[in-house]
Amino acid sequence: SSELTQDPAVSVALGQTVRITCQGDSLRSYYASWYQQKPGQAPVLVIYGKNNRPSGIPDRFSGSSSGNTASLTITGAQAEDEADYYCNSRDSSGNHPFGGGTKLTVL
Amino acid sequence: QVQLQESGPGLVKPSQTLSLTCTVSGGSISSGGYYWSWIRQHPGKGLEWIGYIYYSGSTYYNPSLKSRVTISVDTSKNQFSLKLSSVTAADTAVYYCARTAVSGTTYYFDYWGQGTLVTVSS
Repeated sequence: SSELTQDPAVSVALGQTVRITCQGDSLRSYYASWYQQKPGQAPVLVIYGKNNRPSGIPDRFSGSSSGNTASLTITGAQAEDEADYYCNSRDSSGNHPFGGGTKLTVL
Repeated sequence: QVQLQESGPGLVKPSQTLSLTCTVSGGSISSGGYYWSWIRQHPGKGLEWIGYIYYSGSTYYNPSLKSRVTISVDTSKNQFSLKLSSVTAADTAVYYCARTAVSGTTYYFDYWGQGTLVTVSS
C-alpha cells in the first residue's frame, strides 16, 4: 500500500514533548520527510532522512523510524510549533503520497 | 537561496485545461540533481503530490491523476509547467511547485513556492 496514516490531531502542553507518528508500508524501504504548515502558508520542510534538519529548523525537532512507522518528535514544544504536520515518502511504485496530516495544538 | 514562484490563471472553466508555470530563481533547473514537483492542496484538506520532472524531461505522475496531467520543462527560461486537462470543481485547490531532492532512500521537498489558488467554476 502507498498510503501513509497519521493521527488527525495531537495536543501538547507548552514546554513538553510530543511525538507525531506516520505509518505505512513504504516506510520499511524509504525514509519519511516531515513538513510543518501554518494557516495560509506553504509547507516547510522540518525533517528528512534518518534524522536531518534543514538549516534554520530548531534542534527541538527530531525524527526517527522503526519498521513501518516514522516519528517526528518535538522536545520542549513552543507556541509557534502549533501547526499542521505532514509526512511524505516515496513508495515502491514511484508515487510520493502524503499522510493525511496531524493538527498539533500547544496548550 | 532558491526561490520558486507559481503563475497562471486563478479561474478555470469546467472541462478546460488548467495551466500553471513555476519560475525558479537562485538555481538552475538544468544543473541537475533535483526533480521539480507540483503538489496541490484542496481547501481545508491535506497535500497531494501531482508529479515531477527532471531537467532532462523525464517525468513521473501520481497514478490517480496520470491520465490528465502533463508536466514539462523549459530550461532556457528556468521554468517548469503543469497542465491538468478536463478539470472539474474537484480540481479547485492551492497548487504549489517545489524542488525535490534525493538523498539515498529519502526524497524530500526542500523549497516551495508560495502557492496559487486555482478555482474551477463557470
